[in-house]
Amino acid sequence: TQLLEQSPQFLSIQEGENLTVYCNSSSVFSSLQWYRQEPGEGPVLLVTVVTGGEVKKLKRLTFQFGDARKDSSLHITAAQPGDTGLYLCAGARGSARQLTFGSGTQLTVLP
Amino acid sequence: DAGITQSPRHKVTETGTPVTLRCHQTENHRYMYWYRQDPGHGLRLIHYSYGVKDTDKGEVSDGYSVSRSKTEDFLLTLESATSSQTSVYFCAISESPGNTEAFFGQGTRLTVV
Repeated sequence: TQLLEQSPQFLSIQEGENLTVYCNSSSVFSSLQWYRQEPGEGPVLLVTVVTGGEVKKLKRLTFQFGDARKDSSLHITAAQPGDTGLYLCAGARGSARQLTFGSGTQLTVLP
Repeated sequence: DAGITQSPRHKVTETGTPVTLRCHQTENHRYMYWYRQDPGHGLRLIHYSYGVKDTDKGEVSDGYSVSRSKTEDFLLTLESATSSQTSVYFCAISESPGNTEAFFGQGTRLTVV
């Protein structure tokens, strides 16, 4: 069982559509990060959220950390083919030295 | 780009043979991690290190061992490779877990036949 569950696992949409990806857990995290990974490459950080209820925007991407710091969402407005990739959430808990990753959402944006 | 290099990038090995993967960093980051990536599982932590000679197990550590004798190098060893260890292995580094960016290597594709 993954500590961080992401949904959906796969998502295929048309260019211009909006979408939301979810990252859920029963555990509280001190911070949560979102990464994007392209084929043949390692993940690259998009954003870090640390405060419950925090919202961060990165161009057409909006990230939200749940009030209880157990979940997060990534919303993409007007998706473009360049948004295609594997989106991963990752969390750190309290004094834990580990960075735990979710199962990932594979997004495909069709032109 | 963060200075993190994995070697080899690709390897095919036979069941039962030992295999060592190397991660080398030039960033002087304290934390180093080894993950494996398999379809449907995202990234799963194998082992991590929080300093020279300081290592701990992750969620999928069985069949793997690690060593960190220098800040810049973190080695992952499969003592006796099995087909279930066929995967893509990623090394990552960070200054502290969670609150700062984790930088990843480009991965090692390991096939155990």
